[in-house]
Amino acid sequence: SAVISQKPSRDICQRGTSLTIQCQVDSQVTMMFWYRQQPGQSLTLIATANQGSEATYESGFVIDKFPISRPNLTFSTLTVSNMSPEDSSIYLCSATPQGIGGYTFGSGTRLTVV
Amino acid sequence: KQEVTQIPAALSVPEGENLVLNCSFTDSAIYNLQWFRQDPGKGLTSLLLIQSSQREQTSGRLNASLDKSSGRSTLYIAASQPGDSATYLCAVRIPGNGNKLVFGAGTILRVKS
Repeated sequence: SAVISQKPSRDICQRGTSLTIQCQVDSQVTMMFWYRQQPGQSLTLIATANQGSEATYESGFVIDKFPISRPNLTFSTLTVSNMSPEDSSIYLCSATPQGIGGYTFGSGTRLTVV
Repeated sequence: KQEVTQIPAALSVPEGENLVLNCSFTDSAIYNLQWFRQDPGKGLTSLLLIQSSQREQTSGRLNASLDKSSGRSTLYIAASQPGDSATYLCAVRIPGNGNKLVFGAGTILRVKS
């Protein structure tokens, strides 16, 4: 299965600033996703990162707040913009190859906004 | 709408016990079911993937079963160890809907030495 490198692993940021999280997959994958996990909660899907086109966002998430890029099949970024303390969460990227295989997750980015 | 439920929400056992974690889903139309482990503040590690046509998968001390018709899966951990302490999540991959995963809320496992 694919291996995903995600960075940074953690960060403490000032409110009003932005943070960009990167994910690099070691093989070509069809689909990449971004999730948020708020403290004590399960995972919530933010968006599907589409190669070469705009991401597909889930209800409650908007591009202005969470811009996503996917320039090729192995790399994606998520930016958390104009951060507030409510954005403090773990952010995870995930990928799956073509077909009905399993999903692989990155190691997560633990974000604290102060 | 597919919903995934995990029972129990938390479990504390002494080292060496065999234990079972339960996962149920409301719609049997799934591609597969995957069990993950998550350590505090970390990402998800895939433990076992069961395709919809399979009944079980095994990896070391872990065994996962799938009964698609009844909407149930169990994760069996043999001879538990303190290093097994983590949150265990099950997720189903559903057709259509952009190939998304639907997650349960997880079971927090603590194995006491």
